[in-house]
Amino acid sequence: DTEVTQTPKHLVMGMTNKKSLKCEQHMGHRAMYWYKQKAKKPPELMFVYSYEKLSINESVPSRFSPECPNSSLLNLHLHALQPEDSALYLCASSQTGGAGTDTQYFGPGTRLTVL
Amino acid sequence: GQSLEQPSEVTAVEGAIVQINCTYQTSGFYGLSWYQQHDGGAPTFLSYNALDGLEETGRFSSFLSRSDSYGYLLLQELQMKDSASYFCAVPNQAGTALIFGKGTTLSVSS
Repeated sequence: DTEVTQTPKHLVMGMTNKKSLKCEQHMGHRAMYWYKQKAKKPPELMFVYSYEKLSINESVPSRFSPECPNSSLLNLHLHALQPEDSALYLCASSQTGGAGTDTQYFGPGTRLTVL
Repeated sequence: GQSLEQPSEVTAVEGAIVQINCTYQTSGFYGLSWYQQHDGGAPTFLSYNALDGLEETGRFSSFLSRSDSYGYLLLQELQMKDSASYFCAVPNQAGTALIFGKGTTLSVSS
């Protein structure tokens, strides 16, 4: 099984809502990532979890809150978002935290629209 | 910091060969990766070069020259389904995450 799953596929939320994005992998990978991708742009790294510990936070605003309940699951909690946060949110995983040699497996993404 | 340059767009016809170049500036170097992303889809891994030379995987090949800080992705016998965005990527300085280039949109016509 080389699949990373993400739910929901689409999400529309208001600026006062609280919602969560979910990501799951069953490949035994120990590193998981959140990326944000705007149209016609590359994926932009937000957070990295390595062995269930947050190892990188790329200066992401606190309205985005990641959580890694166990080695297979990764959540992204959203609160008080702005319209400019509308984007495709991609989850990825890799075997270890070694980005130099590890292939990253991406989920299909959650397309988020903030009204 | 890490930075990558690649052309924004490339067009070609079915059956042709196309080369997408990538130059990089890095503090430390672990290797150069290539990912493909179709419209509305997720990025998928294509290839990885840590050493100089050519790596071939079916119709796709990837080349690296570490002395020139340069690599390319070569796509042969182009098919319509190859129309997608192609990203080169390098690890960050700590080697713990990928930094992507801006992407090259390949359009294949019949």
